[in-house]
Amino acid sequence: GAGVSQSPSNKVTEKGKDVELRCDPISGHTALYWYRQSLGQGLEFLIYFQGNSAPDKSGLPSDRFSAERTGGSVSTLTIQRTQQEDSAVYLCASSSGGGGAYEQYFGPGTRLTVT
Amino acid sequence: TQLLEQSPQFLSIQEGENLTVYCNSSSVFSSLQWYRQEPGEGPVLLVTVVTGGEVKKLKRLTFQFGDARKDSSLHITAAQPGDTGLYLCAGAPGANNLFFGTGTRLTVIP
Repeated sequence: GAGVSQSPSNKVTEKGKDVELRCDPISGHTALYWYRQSLGQGLEFLIYFQGNSAPDKSGLPSDRFSAERTGGSVSTLTIQRTQQEDSAVYLCASSSGGGGAYEQYFGPGTRLTVT
Repeated sequence: TQLLEQSPQFLSIQEGENLTVYCNSSSVFSSLQWYRQEPGEGPVLLVTVVTGGEVKKLKRLTFQFGDARKDSSLHITAAQPGDTGLYLCAGAPGANNLFFGTGTRLTVIP
């Protein structure tokens, strides 16, 4: 079956513009995560959706970042008024349950470059 | 913040050598996972450990979860060029989030 897909794969934007990143999780997976990864570094947790529960937004770095998940499936991460420090690879993952007992399946990521 | 520190940050070894990567925290985790990530791709799960003191073997890879469930190690025997990648540990303090470590970038030279 299809894995996690993300679009676009690459995005170059000017400082101050808004961007939307999309994640299509594996069908039936109730949990969805967004992470940010700077060059060669570990993953920084951004936000977590689990079923119909309120999302855990504790990792969002500023109020310029927001995310939604429609119909328990597709998710969109929005960054408003982008800054150069927002440049990174944004990874989405889904799993059949929440937390560390479940395998997270990752998409290939969206590489965001803010010029 | 559930900080997971990995060491070493970078490791370059010759094919056939053994190596150990460490993942340490001051926090207790209900479970811990190890992932490997190759360039341009997302991380892929290698193993999940859930019991303090647990040891799991996956071919040439041996994973250990500390007795206190605060740390873990990954040992690779007779490293191969195909083992090259970024190794990430990830700990779950509870039933929700998964916190990733700082990563160890391994290069195995043929």
